[in-house]
Amino acid sequence: DIQMTQSPSSLSASVGDRVTITCRASESISSYLNWYQQKPGKAPNLLIYSVSSLQSGVPSRFSGSGSGTDFTLTISSLQPEDFAIYYCQQTYTIPQTFGQGTKLEI
Amino acid sequence: QVQLQESGPGLVKPSETLSLTCTVSGGSVSGYHWNWIRQAPGKGLEWIGYIYYSGSGSTNYNPSLKSRLTISVDTSKNQFSLKLSSVTAADTAVYYCARNPQWYNPFDYWGQGTLVTVSS
Repeated sequence: DIQMTQSPSSLSASVGDRVTITCRASESISSYLNWYQQKPGKAPNLLIYSVSSLQSGVPSRFSGSGSGTDFTLTISSLQPEDFAIYYCQQTYTIPQTFGQGTKLEI
Repeated sequence: QVQLQESGPGLVKPSETLSLTCTVSGGSVSGYHWNWIRQAPGKGLEWIGYIYYSGSGSTNYNPSLKSRLTISVDTSKNQFSLKLSSVTAADTAVYYCARNPQWYNPFDYWGQGTLVTVSS
């Protein structure tokens, strides 16, 4: 299985901050990298697919970059509703695997 | 708008079979991949497997669960189902159903999730 490792595991930030979350794959996954946001008691919500494509309806303050094994999710100016857990996911091979999550706290 | 809804028992005894159904509304089960994903309490996400239906159903399972797992589809009811046998406490989790157009695409629609607890 491809292992996905996110860093940091948790992050404290303030409204208006710019934050970056990193995801590293144990081997190259080309551009098959997606990001989800999960709020307590809710299903994950797709934010970004194929490294950098913004899902419809997702604010433009979210962006993604990277290739091969190293990827980042950036939130340019944190809003109160952005405090959540973020997961990366690879869909390059079966089984699809997720990172362990990054908890973004106030 | 596609909507998914999981249903099934919230409590299963150890060694028994966990059975869940996902009902799809607002679209057909044909032509898409229908997945099960789970999340143990306070933990991350684990992909369980998918079924793809286009005239006939094809499946792909997480090797870690394959020996205990069956995913099937009922096109007449626009539903797909999960059966996980010989469960233990380690199978306690919120189970989600989700859709992707191709297996390598992200999950664009999710159910709300249902908590299944394995306990005697």
